[in-house]
Amino acid sequence: GESVGLHLPTLSVQEGDNSIINCAYSNSASDYFIWYKQESGKGPQFIIDIRSNMDKRQGQRVTVLLNKTVKHLSLQIAATQPGDSAVYFCAETQGANSKLTFGKGITLSVRP
Amino acid sequence: DAMVIQNPRYQVTQFGKPVTLSCSQTLNHNVMYWYQQKSSQAPKLLFHYYDKDFNNEADTPDNFQSRRPNTSFCFLDIRSPGLGDAAMYLCATSRPGIGSEKLFFGSGTQLSVL
Repeated sequence: GESVGLHLPTLSVQEGDNSIINCAYSNSASDYFIWYKQESGKGPQFIIDIRSNMDKRQGQRVTVLLNKTVKHLSLQIAATQPGDSAVYFCAETQGANSKLTFGKGITLSVRP
Repeated sequence: DAMVIQNPRYQVTQFGKPVTLSCSQTLNHNVMYWYQQKSSQAPKLLFHYYDKDFNNEADTPDNFQSRRPNTSFCFLDIRSPGLGDAAMYLCATSRPGIGSEKLFFGSGTQLSVL
């Protein structure tokens, strides 16, 4: 069936380096994508989103890239900090009022 | 600050003993959701309310029920908790229409079943 998934379960990066978290989706009808960050014992926090009519969107220290051709989404975190350590989820939906489908989380661990 | 608040943060119940989890929101959002999240897994949608219109996911067990007495509050009732129901339960809200895809989550209630 349709699914959203992440390639790697864990990612370890050195503090100050850039992080890239990848996500593949299989539903070609998906038109909206979100990245959530979930710290231990907390609910998911919105990081950044992107619609399918865009291929790049930037926030503060974060950039989301969307490649619709290969159905691939990535989250780039610049100058990774210890506070970025968390589980990251990508999620997709087919539009307003449709269900948000989460991918499997990937744990980002930042080494001091 | 407008937010989604879940109480309690930690809940311990006994096998088979009914338990209720609470969620309130000050965002005035029409849509409220309940998700179940087990360790190292993605959140799984149980059901959602569009105003008072209840929408159950097909694979949500009958053991799980929900109430939404008004816009601000939503409850998750687990009639007879089993060991497999131990999980984090997340409440979320969203606006209808444009922007409805963006969910705002509470901090969750971690449920333990003894």
